[in-house]
Amino acid sequence: AQRVTQPEKLLSVFKGAPVELKCNYSYSGSPELFWYVQYSRQRLQLLLRHISRESIKGFTADLNKGETSFHLKKPFAQEEDSAMYYCALLVGGGGNKLTFGTGTQLKVEL
Amino acid sequence: NAGVTQTPKFQVLKTGQSMTLQCAQDMNHEYMSWYRQDPGMGLRLIHYSVGAGITDQGEVPNGYNVSRSTTEDFPLRLLSAAPSQTSVYFCASRTSSYEQYFGPGTRLTVT
Repeated sequence: AQRVTQPEKLLSVFKGAPVELKCNYSYSGSPELFWYVQYSRQRLQLLLRHISRESIKGFTADLNKGETSFHLKKPFAQEEDSAMYYCALLVGGGGNKLTFGTGTQLKVEL
Repeated sequence: NAGVTQTPKFQVLKTGQSMTLQCAQDMNHEYMSWYRQDPGMGLRLIHYSVGAGITDQGEVPNGYNVSRSTTEDFPLRLLSAAPSQTSVYFCASRTSSYEQYFGPGTRLTVT
């Protein structure tokens, strides 16, 4: 069965430090992966998806099929990056189910 | 566009009561879904719909019913509320390219 693992519940970094939020997945098919972000008192929103290969708000994520990982990275953390981050895997015929990890709370300290 | 809207924002129920959480979207998305968000468990899929008249179960469907009579609306019904259903509920709709839009959430407490 498909599974998304985010091993860190909380990640605390100082402003200007690099950030890496870990995400590992298990899925027998061809994965389609996403990162969603939830800022305080706001709704979840899409941050980026692996097929677009974009950099959003300075964040990037590379799909590593050999390591079954999709880690989210940013070279220099900003205070406004503090939020809850969820990694998600699209599965099922027609891509009907989005399986989420348990989330990582990122706290950027001054 | 209002996007995805949910009502109510907050609700307190007593065990055994029933209620319906409303969800609507104005983006003409065929796919809609309901999730619950619990601490340490992330978001778990309750039910989803790929179009009007078509629904299916997700990961945690027990205790919940859905129907989809129109493209715009996808209500979630709690038949007999239990304390284990205390959670934050999110409705979402999705584009054909799999970009998912979430509602603001409903915080439900069952006593």
